[in-house]
Amino acid sequence: DGGITQSPKYLFRKEGQNVTLSCEQNLNHDAMYWYRQDPGQGLRLIYYSQIVNDFQKGDIAEGYSVSREKKESFPLTVTSAQKNPTAFYLCASRRSRDSISYEQYFGPGTRLTVT
Amino acid sequence: AQSVTQLDSHVSVSEGTPVLLRCNYSSSYSPSLFWYVQHPNKGLQLLLKYTSAATLVKGINGFEAEFKKSETSFHLTKPSAHMSDAAEYFCVVSPLGETGANNLFFGTGTRLTVIP
Repeated sequence: DGGITQSPKYLFRKEGQNVTLSCEQNLNHDAMYWYRQDPGQGLRLIYYSQIVNDFQKGDIAEGYSVSREKKESFPLTVTSAQKNPTAFYLCASRRSRDSISYEQYFGPGTRLTVT
Repeated sequence: AQSVTQLDSHVSVSEGTPVLLRCNYSSSYSPSLFWYVQHPNKGLQLLLKYTSAATLVKGINGFEAEFKKSETSFHLTKPSAHMSDAAEYFCVVSPLGETGANNLFFGTGTRLTVIP
């Protein structure tokens, strides 16, 4: 089965600790994305990557970092600099950003709770 | 500027009655448009997409949407609501000609409640 996996589903951390969320896809997609979702709100873009070893900041990149060393992997690190890290995090991939007809595929999400 | 407006943050219908979730967009060129559904604590699942072919698009689970260029709308409908349709729905636009940064724009979502 092709798809996107995110692990873990639930993650708990103490304030001041960095935490890394995993995102893996076996769809051979070029583009990958990280979104944050807060209760009752839509999706906000954190980072996206169009190709290996390249990524761009989204609307709310402060306090987050990413890497794209492999096509299939796009991990997100939530650093201690992120003021309100508790949220639901969604990873997505897309065949290519070059065609507007391509849809995104989403992972199941990771719910991060920081206390 | 490109944008997506979901006109209702919350829609409530009775089981078996029609569903209408409204979406308007602004785009300089003909866009691709998508509707996604999200159940609680889950990822987003594609319901349907419009990519400049037929203006009436049929999706999964009995949903369909009609692209109306003159009204810049892409409303989502279903003839008869089922309890399992209760979820959050997102309208997304990908405008033709949008280059540079990320070229996907999300609406803020509509929460659908289905009353037994």
